[in-house]
Amino acid sequence: AQKITQTQPGMFVQEKEAVTLDCTYDTSDPSYGLFWYKQPSSGEMIFLIYQGSYDQQNATEGRYSLNFQKARKSANLVISASQLGDSAMYFCAIDSGSARQLTFGSGTQLTVLP
Amino acid sequence: GAGVSQSPRYKVAKRGQDVALRCDPISGHVSLFWYQQALGQGPEFLTYFQNEAQLDKSGLPSDRFFAERPEGSVSTLKIQRTQQEDSAVYLCASKSGSSSYEQYFGPGTRLTVT
Repeated sequence: AQKITQTQPGMFVQEKEAVTLDCTYDTSDPSYGLFWYKQPSSGEMIFLIYQGSYDQQNATEGRYSLNFQKARKSANLVISASQLGDSAMYFCAIDSGSARQLTFGSGTQLTVLP
Repeated sequence: GAGVSQSPRYKVAKRGQDVALRCDPISGHVSLFWYQQALGQGPEFLTYFQNEAQLDKSGLPSDRFFAERPEGSVSTLKIQRTQQEDSAVYLCASKSGSSSYEQYFGPGTRLTVT
């Protein structure tokens, strides 16, 4: 079975600063993918970034980067230059099974302060 | 349409009523997933379709839950004899194929059982 742990229920960051959201995972699959999604108060799940377990380099997408440490089974999300619009719930997820369905963590509520 | 759509967006049901939730995936997407998101939690996998075949229904919480995708496009999640614990947001996601990784989520249907 797969498990995602997000230990930070809430985080605050000052606008324009960087923030790291923690994620650790557990899986017995040798091949897996790690994802981060953003869920604003409107409810839609917005895909941010993906890291494959065999990818050598950490994934980056604009202001988002994934700090992947395979030996530690961690996949932290780094958001640089935070903006007010980044305030939302952030979920880490891992895919598994033949369908590659997602197993999500409990989320981190990020609040960006002006 | 450009994205995944779901209807209705909101549904209030009296306990014991049957409900049907609809998902229109992105055109041409082979894979379709249903997730259940309880308040303050991450989404949890319910079931998976590849075209019209339901390949995994391991996440369905009880035999009151039933999903179908008869023509390999639109999917319906049906809940019979709703209970209060069924109150949640039901999310649908699609992806282009089993080998692709990004799942595109719909806006969800918020079900409230009174």
